[in-house]
Amino acid sequence: SQKIEQNSEALNIQEGKTATLTCNYTNYSPAYLQWYRQDPGRGPVFLLLIRENEKEKRKERLKVTFDTTLKQSLFHITASQPADSATYLCALDTRGSYIPTFGRGTSLIVHP
Amino acid sequence: GAVVSQHPSRVICKSGTSVKIECRSLDFQATTMFWYRQFPKQSLMLMATSNEGSKATYEQGVEKDKFLINHASLTLSTLTVTSAHPEDSSFYICSATRNAGQKFAEQYFGPGTRLTVT
Repeated sequence: SQKIEQNSEALNIQEGKTATLTCNYTNYSPAYLQWYRQDPGRGPVFLLLIRENEKEKRKERLKVTFDTTLKQSLFHITASQPADSATYLCALDTRGSYIPTFGRGTSLIVHP
Repeated sequence: GAVVSQHPSRVICKSGTSVKIECRSLDFQATTMFWYRQFPKQSLMLMATSNEGSKATYEQGVEKDKFLINHASLTLSTLTVTSAHPEDSSFYICSATRNAGQKFAEQYFGPGTRLTVT
């Protein structure tokens, strides 16, 4: 069956360290993959989009990689801050359209 | 830019009543809006795609007579939960895109509406 997998366990890290979140998928060949941030009780906020022909994308302290062979995307936040604490969702193209399918998200907790 | 609002942010209603949720794009025109539902610690589940001036396209398993969607203008879509039941209690989120149809279109999400049916 088709799946989008994000670690359901929260990631706890110390302030200043690099947080790395993983998104794995099976049985898809997505044209793109997106990462969103969601705070409790709020709607998601778009962070980054990476296309299938791109290996890496950066935006300020954020870096996303996309390995279509491994069927995996890694989301990195460098020099993490307590304000980065949130749930991070990956979303990817599962049906050849601009409407992505979302994973469950991984909670990141950055301790001061 | 690209702000989407939702109203109300929270609503509590009695079983059997109907509830309307509004989604507005404040600073851009959205030909297409989307309605999602999210249960605690679950992913966003797309309920329907709402196109201005035409009928919404519902995802499989979503009852169109229960979740009425109206996209009356380029900046407003409404979701009405009819004859609500406790199992309809959830977090409802809308989103809009400025570039409907383009494959890499970014979605802008509203802040969500917490519906509790008692």
